[in-house]
Amino acid sequence: DAEITQSPRHKITETGRQVTLACHQTWNHNNMFWYRQDLGHGLRLIHYSYGVQDTNKGEVSDGYSVSRSNTEDLPLTLESAASSQTSVYFCASSPFSSDKIYEQYFGPGTRLTVT
Amino acid sequence: SQKIEQNSEALNIQEGKTATLTCNYTNYSPAYLQWYRQDPGRGPVFLLLIRENEKEKRKERLKVTFDTTLKQSLFHITASQPADSATYLCALVPSYNTDKLIFGTGTRLQVFP
Repeated sequence: DAEITQSPRHKITETGRQVTLACHQTWNHNNMFWYRQDLGHGLRLIHYSYGVQDTNKGEVSDGYSVSRSNTEDLPLTLESAASSQTSVYFCASSPFSSDKIYEQYFGPGTRLTVT
Repeated sequence: SQKIEQNSEALNIQEGKTATLTCNYTNYSPAYLQWYRQDPGRGPVFLLLIRENEKEKRKERLKVTFDTTLKQSLFHITASQPADSATYLCALVPSYNTDKLIFGTGTRLQVFP
């Protein structure tokens, strides 16, 4: 069965370190998204991609970067981790739709703690 | 300012009753709205999508309404079961000029036997 996976599921890191969170989907979806979820804020979009070599900034992109070298993967990098980036991170994917109306399929999440 | 509001307080109902969750929005003209279910420690799961020109959508025990005049969507679960206990998120595409989802903070539903 097709799926979307994230690794690691839990990560503790120190302030200032570079951290990369992996996201891999076997749906063959063109669109991929990274969100963070914090109490009281709901899901907020960090970065997204509509296909290979395409990346775009979301609402809360400062301090994060992504790259899309193939259809299946969209790794999220925290360049220099800060305590404010302690959160639960979700990756999602969705198929291409000509009318831009599509549901998103979410991964299980990565809980990141920055100490 | 633009915002999506869902009741932050948990909704507690008895098994067999109908649960009704509310999603209100301000300063958006959404092209469509979606509802997701999220269980603790897991990612959201898509449930239903309703377009701005649709008043109501049904799927098994689920029903969603969309009132663009009131700027409100209602999510109903009929004959609720303890297994329906979860957090329910609404999400909308804020206009026809974008396809990115804006999520509400979710409402936790607890169904008691």
